[in-house]
Amino acid sequence: QQPVQSPQAVILREGEDAVINCSSSKALYSVHWYRQKHGEAPVFLMILLKGGEQKGHEKISASFNEKKQQSSLYLTASQLSYSGTYFCGTALKETSGSRLTFGEGTQLTVNP
Amino acid sequence: NAGVTQTPKFQVLKTGQSMTLQCAQDMNHNSMYWYRQDPGMGLRLIYYSASEGTTDKGEVPNGYNVSRLNKREFSLRLESAAPSQTSVYFCASSRQKDYGYTFGSGTRLTVV
Repeated sequence: QQPVQSPQAVILREGEDAVINCSSSKALYSVHWYRQKHGEAPVFLMILLKGGEQKGHEKISASFNEKKQQSSLYLTASQLSYSGTYFCGTALKETSGSRLTFGEGTQLTVNP
Repeated sequence: NAGVTQTPKFQVLKTGQSMTLQCAQDMNHNSMYWYRQDPGMGLRLIYYSASEGTTDKGEVPNGYNVSRLNKREFSLRLESAAPSQTSVYFCASSRQKDYGYTFGSGTRLTVV
């Protein structure tokens, strides 16, 4: 039931792009994306519903393929502030989206 | 606005002791959640409350109880603490299921 994230870790140079993937074995109601910096609480980035593309920050966007039960987070022209662990949270159709199950996270490091 | 406030921020318990973690939100959110986060892992749902007056079990409810005291407050109780409950506990709230979660700053609990 826990979604699977890939890759587990990625290291970038400032200005490079990255894609983080999230997949589920069950039918999804929605997908959330969060970023957590070390020692801090997760911070909400965006929510995707019913196959739409949601744009959060200027250079962070995401897609949701409802049929494949997959979501991808796109970070373009990465900045040092993008470093942290990214979690996807999935809400299932069978629970009418009432709660989130989180993946294990993708650790993103952006170097100068 | 304070957002989601958790107390205490740190706690050390002896095995078998009990304690209550407090959580309050001032955003008039309907839903509240308790998650635990262990090193290198994602967030696992302990209990949640979709609305005032209701509570439901999450993935890892054993050893915990909750109380939705009113719309603002959602407490988590450990009746007899065990070393396996050493973790960081996050409380979160959301307006309703199609909205992002706002997390508190967390409680770092160590059971010795």
